[in-house]
Amino acid sequence: GDSVTQMEGPVTLSEEAFLTINCTYTATGYPSLFWYVQYPGEGLQLLLKATKADDKGSNKGFEATYRKETTSFHLEKGSVQVSDSAVYFCALNAGNQFYFGTGTSLTVIP
Amino acid sequence: SQTIHQWPATLVQPVGSPLSLECTVEGTSNPNLYWYRQAAGRGLQLLFYSVGIGQISSEVPQNLSASRPQDRQFILSSKKLLLSDSGFYLCAWRAPPYNEQFFGPGTRLTVL
Repeated sequence: GDSVTQMEGPVTLSEEAFLTINCTYTATGYPSLFWYVQYPGEGLQLLLKATKADDKGSNKGFEATYRKETTSFHLEKGSVQVSDSAVYFCALNAGNQFYFGTGTSLTVIP
Repeated sequence: SQTIHQWPATLVQPVGSPLSLECTVEGTSNPNLYWYRQAAGRGLQLLFYSVGIGQISSEVPQNLSASRPQDRQFILSSKKLLLSDSGFYLCAWRAPPYNEQFFGPGTRLTVL
């Protein structure tokens, strides 16, 4: 069945460091891919999305490219800030269903 | 613009008591609606989803049930809560044919 696997956390980085959170997926067909962010005590917010191969989603300095050949959708940011501390979820959409990774906790220290 | 509401925001209930969580969406018609549960420090578990009034798909057998009495209203219920029902309950909507899903603020349920 369809599934998403993302790197285990927690991840701790210093401010202005480079961020990569790995995400790979298994799906039949051509799913849409998403990254969501969750701040403490809140619901998930859509961070970025890509709907077809080679699409690059971007928002707030974060980027992810839909790589069909490697079935990956890695999240990157060139320079993280303390305010980026949160839990990040990779997800895919197939029909009416959504499949989420287990989440990666990111802490950015000043 | 579309908004999604959940209430209550927090709830503390004794084991064996009933539960009713409500989710409403504004600004869209005929959305797909979803209930998820997130245990502490864990990922999301899909509980139910609905593609229309009265249409409920259950993903995980448990003592919870869901109903959709109106187009933009989704209710999560239980007749008798268990300790394991504690968690953060998230409602979400999607407007086909668009793919993205949008989440409500969540309800923190503690069963004692």
